[in-house]
Order: sequence, then structure tokens, then C-alpha cells
Amino acid sequence: IAGITQAPTSQILAAGRRMTLRCTQDMRHNAMYWYRQDLGLGLRLIHYSNTAGTTGKGEVPDGYSVSRANTDDFPLTLASAVPSQTSVYFCASSPGSNQPQHFGDGTRLSIL
Amino acid sequence: GQNIDQPTEMTATEGAIVQINCTYQTSGFNGLFWYQQHAGEAPTFLSYNVLDGLEEKGRFSSFLSRSKGYSYLLLKELQMKDSASYLCAVINSNYQLIWGAGTKLIIKP
Repeated sequence: IAGITQAPTSQILAAGRRMTLRCTQDMRHNAMYWYRQDLGLGLRLIHYSNTAGTTGKGEVPDGYSVSRANTDDFPLTLASAVPSQTSVYFCASSPGSNQPQHFGDGTRLSIL
Repeated sequence: GQNIDQPTEMTATEGAIVQINCTYQTSGFNGLFWYQQHAGEAPTFLSYNVLDGLEEKGRFSSFLSRSKGYSYLLLKELQMKDSASYLCAVINSNYQLIWGAGTKLIIKP
């Protein structure tokens, strides 16, 4: 079934540890996005990629990095996790930047 | 700055009609999306408006007025499964998607 797969589904992590959240799509979408969603704040864009080989910073990029080596994969890395990064992380993709985004099921991350 | 305003929470009765409003102030406009998000799940696409007027899709309709910076999502014949959060999002002139915080809709029997 075509779609977006995120891994892990949930994770508890000690502060200071490095963590990579994985995101893979099989729809051949050009654009991919990483969001965090916190209660009462809605979705906030962390990083995005309009096409393979390019990335850009969103609204809240500090403490996170991404790479887009190919069309399908868009991993998000927390270099040194802090408790304020506790959140639900959603990966999304779209054919283009003005077209509907399709979301993965999310990763629930708790930093202790 | 850029912002999107939606009511935080609304309550409606099963079988009734509810209208969820969204007002926006963004740097330019290239379209508006409505998404549905059930608790603990991912957002799913409902509708897209880029021109003024009403777009109807089954029980759901979405309206846009670009001159007023205003949209609404109309849900008819409400069902219990419609209990969810509804997110309004606007594409600005830089093709960035600006999200509202969402409206939690509670359906009562």
C-alpha cells in the first residue's frame, strides 16, 4: 500500500543522546516535510525538502538536522536531545509545494 | 507576522450542521487546505480552495473569501465519527504552508 512510513512509532530517550527518526515514502513525491505537534500549538514545520538533494529550514529548526539523499527517504536527526524536544513528530510528503500533504502515522518521542 | 485563527473547541449534536471558521493573515495567498485529525492519528486531507466560493464534497463543504481572509468548513448530518480536530492551513506567497492550531469538534448524541 502506497504511503509514508515512519519509524520508530514511539521512543523514550535520555537527554543528550542522539536520535534519528526515519521517514520513507513510496509515492515518488518531490516534497517532504518534518513537523512537530504540541498540544495547543498545532503543527510547526521543522525542516522541508522541495526535491531530492535540497533541504530548507522551517519555523523551528534549531536542534534538528535533515538530509535528502534520494526521493524516498527524509530522516530527521536530533544531535543531542533535550526535554523540550518531547513531542509528536510527523513526516509528510506532497507532489509539489502547493498540493495536499500526506502524513505518516507519527513518532511519539519523550526526552527524559 | 502570519497567523491563522480558528476557535479552539466547538460542540455540536449528532445529525446537526456545524460551521468551523478560519481567518488568516499571511504574506500572500496560494490556496487553503482543511485537514481532519482524529485523536492520536495523523492529519488527513479534506479539501482545497484557491478561488472564492464553495467547494462541496459529500457531507463536507469548504468556503473561501480571499478579500476577507476567511474560510469555513461546513459539516452536515454530523456523525459521532466526525469528532476530531479540524486544521486550517494557508499556502503563502513563498509556497510555505502556515497551519492553524486546529478546532476540536465534540459531537454529542
